[in-house]
Amino acid sequence: QVQLVESGGGVVQPGRSLRLSCAASGFTFSSYGMHWVRQAPGKGLEWVAIIWYDGSNKNYADSVKGRFTISRDNSKNTLYLQMNSLRAEDTALYYCAREGSSGYYYIDWGQGTLVTVSS
Amino acid sequence: DIVMTQSPDSLAVSLGERATINCKSSQSVLYSSNNKNYLAWYQQKPGQPPKLLIYWASTRESGVPDRFSGSGSGTDFTLTISSLQAEDVAVYYCHQYYTTPFTFGPGTKVEIK
Repeated sequence: QVQLVESGGGVVQPGRSLRLSCAASGFTFSSYGMHWVRQAPGKGLEWVAIIWYDGSNKNYADSVKGRFTISRDNSKNTLYLQMNSLRAEDTALYYCAREGSSGYYYIDWGQGTLVTVSS
Repeated sequence: DIVMTQSPDSLAVSLGERATINCKSSQSVLYSSNNKNYLAWYQQKPGQPPKLLIYWASTRESGVPDRFSGSGSGTDFTLTISSLQAEDVAVYYCHQYYTTPFTFGPGTKVEIK
């Protein structure tokens, strides 16, 4: 079955960096676009970034543009999110999500990894 | 950006009764070339990631009980739970994937009366 397992979260000071990973299994990773979606504690869902199946296109929410970089290694079935210049408002549970075969809805989600930005 | 709103913020429904959640987008998410509405619904239970229920506004995801249905077009959409079960207690989100930035509604909390 499909598994998406995020890792790399933790407590980090404002201005520092963190890299999240999402290990995928149970499907042909290189055939699907992937997304990061975050959820601040007790809040709703916020889309963060998308990367096409082959890595050729990426797009970001304005709130993270210029600070976060999404990437993937199809040989390792792994999705990444490099987060630089972290701010308190980046504190959230970060989910990786697999998009559908016909559209940018999310058919599978990981359990999430928690990022806390605090001094 | 397309702003998604939902109503009500929360609702309490008796077991076996109908629950209706509304979602409105600030601009149309209907793509005229394929006549598809780029709108999905998710269910999120406490401590769990969201789960896809409905996509293309009315297509039920595989394995989702048929008491869940989606309707609407353009800017106005509805998720209906025809006969509420105890396991349906959750927060429900609508989501537009018509254009980036993809956006979600604020969520509607469904409880048992």
